[in-house]
Formats: sequence, C-alpha cells, structure tokens
Amino acid sequence: RKEVEQDPGPFNVPEGATVAFNCTYSNSASQSFFWYRQDCRKEPKLLMSVYSSGNEDGRFTAQLNRASQYISLLIRDSKLSDSATYLCAVNTNTDKLIFGTGTRLQVFP
Amino acid sequence: GAVVSQHPSRVICKSGTSVKIECRSLDFQATTMFWYRQFPKQSLMLMATSNEGSKATYEQGVEKDKFLINHASLTLSTLTVTSAHPEDSSFYICSAPNPGLGEFFGPGTRLTVL
Repeated sequence: RKEVEQDPGPFNVPEGATVAFNCTYSNSASQSFFWYRQDCRKEPKLLMSVYSSGNEDGRFTAQLNRASQYISLLIRDSKLSDSATYLCAVNTNTDKLIFGTGTRLQVFP
Repeated sequence: GAVVSQHPSRVICKSGTSVKIECRSLDFQATTMFWYRQFPKQSLMLMATSNEGSKATYEQGVEKDKFLINHASLTLSTLTVTSAHPEDSSFYICSAPNPGLGEFFGPGTRLTVL
C-alpha cells in the first residue's frame, strides 16, 4: 500500500460547482498535512496547510480525519482557473514530505 | 511565503555529460533542502535530503555517486547529474522548508538528455 494515496481523476466539473478530493495516508504517526496545487509543467505551490480542527481559506476548505487517516479538500464555486493537479502531502516527525500522485481537476465553462 | 529559485530552468544535453542544477533560498536560510524528480504524469519522488555542512541523505534506490549533492551554504544546494543518460531526462525540483510556513519549491529544471 502506498504511503499517501489519491484518486488521480480527472474530475471534470462545470464552473460554479463544488468538488471535493480525499487523500488517505497509511502512517498513523503522520503529523503535518498539506495541500499543494501543481499546474502543468510547473512546480507545486502550497495551497494550504491542514489543521486538526479543519480550516478554510476563501473557497477552499481543508479537513483532517485522524481516525480514518484521510484529509480532504473542498473547493466551492469552482473557477476555470482552479483547473490544476492537487497534491496532498504528509510528513511524520521529520522534515520530509511524502506526496500523493495528485488529483487532476478540470473546470469547464 | 518564501522564495526559492532554481537554475537553469531547462537543460538539453548529450548523453554522457554532467549537468549541475542550483537551488537557492532567496529570503530565508535553509539548513535542509530537498531534491525531487518527477516523470510525466507521476508523483514527485524524493531523491535526497541536502544538509548544510554535512553529507546528503539519499532515498533508497537513488545512486549517490550519480546524483552528487553539495549544500555549500545556508542558501544554496546543488545537484549534479553525472554522466547523464536519456533515462535521466525528467523534471528536477528542489524545495526548502521554512519553519512555520511550510515547504517551498523552486520552479524546477527540465532536463532532456539526447
């Protein structure tokens, strides 16, 4: 089993839709969780950290479920510019991040 | 946030040559930097952890003699791909953690070995 797993998608949604991605992790000792956005042929960019109590940044909401060992990202009111690959990242007690393969989102008009 | 630069952004070279990639943290110091490789439509794979003032730590399956890492200062790490071959063609990305803010990536270097 991979340490961090994501549904590769693609998720094809119309503008204005709400879409959610999940990411599961296998190491129960994982301590920090992040969502990154990666555009085609570009580097990943930090979208948001994921806190235990859940957190929101504008249209984006991240949640952590430690019992079931997954994190989620919810995007409301999808924009065309949200089209990208969304990577979840997890680390334990080291600085190293383990990335999922990413979930591709395509928002259409 | 934090800024990490990487140079060059693109390299095309002949098989057998060595390629050096630089990674710099521009507005913060990084005692640790990471080097990743990403093949098309695949996830980021950590190659090694670059440690300022000491040897790099390589992930399993990554040849340390082929991928030479030097962390010369608190703002600079270099990756040298020695005797590059076509199978080394990939997108190489460095990153640096900025405590409290997260891990920040350089823009990546696209290596094509002919």
